[in-house]
Amino acid sequence: GAVVSQHPSRVICKSGTSVKIECRSLDFQATTMFWYRQFPKKSLMLMATSNEGSKATYEQGVEKDKFLINHASLTLSTLTVTSAHPEDSSFYICSARGIGGGLGSTDTQYFGPGTRLTVL
Amino acid sequence: KQEVTQIPAALSVPEGENLVLNCSFTDSAIYNLQWFRQDPGKGLTSLLLIQSSQREQTSGRLNASLDKSSGRSTLYIAASQPGDSATYLCAVKNTGTASKLTFGTGTRLQVTL
Repeated sequence: GAVVSQHPSRVICKSGTSVKIECRSLDFQATTMFWYRQFPKKSLMLMATSNEGSKATYEQGVEKDKFLINHASLTLSTLTVTSAHPEDSSFYICSARGIGGGLGSTDTQYFGPGTRLTVL
Repeated sequence: KQEVTQIPAALSVPEGENLVLNCSFTDSAIYNLQWFRQDPGKGLTSLLLIQSSQREQTSGRLNASLDKSSGRSTLYIAASQPGDSATYLCAVKNTGTASKLTFGTGTRLQVTL
């Protein structure tokens, strides 16, 4: 239980294009989703916190106009990397926090499998 | 600002050995601490979660301890197996930070035959 999926798992795009990554909680509702970025052999850095029906909260240093986050439903959040450049190449991981009661504990973030973005 | 450090950064042990991974954090006002496993190119798998009021948690061959006052946690792996090879991350959730997790730098473990 408490499964989070991401799509796509890998994407290669040309510089200047935009890429959308989806994060879905498959068997629980998530009021809050988180987007992380991970560089090779580095730890996860929180980019933004996304709450259903409201604007995302971005961490310091993260450009909100470049990394657009939409959390339109309790099971789906999307991250769009706009006008991607090679330095945006990274591993992007989302996580979801449940609303309690049964699956999807409010105490725990459930992580997706990640999306490898390569910008040529 | 919470900072989380893990030592060692990399570790190689022969199969069957018991081992300890270390995690330290600078701000002791934590809500909980969690240990994760990450396989290469994959997402995170939660291993153990310790609430701030707890001293340890156990799951199979894994045992995690927490000493909040000293800002330390350890992950003990008994009778290591090649399948335990992965990167292990600890993450801290501070009180009053709306579920934000601060991750450590990770320990890359290799268990050899």
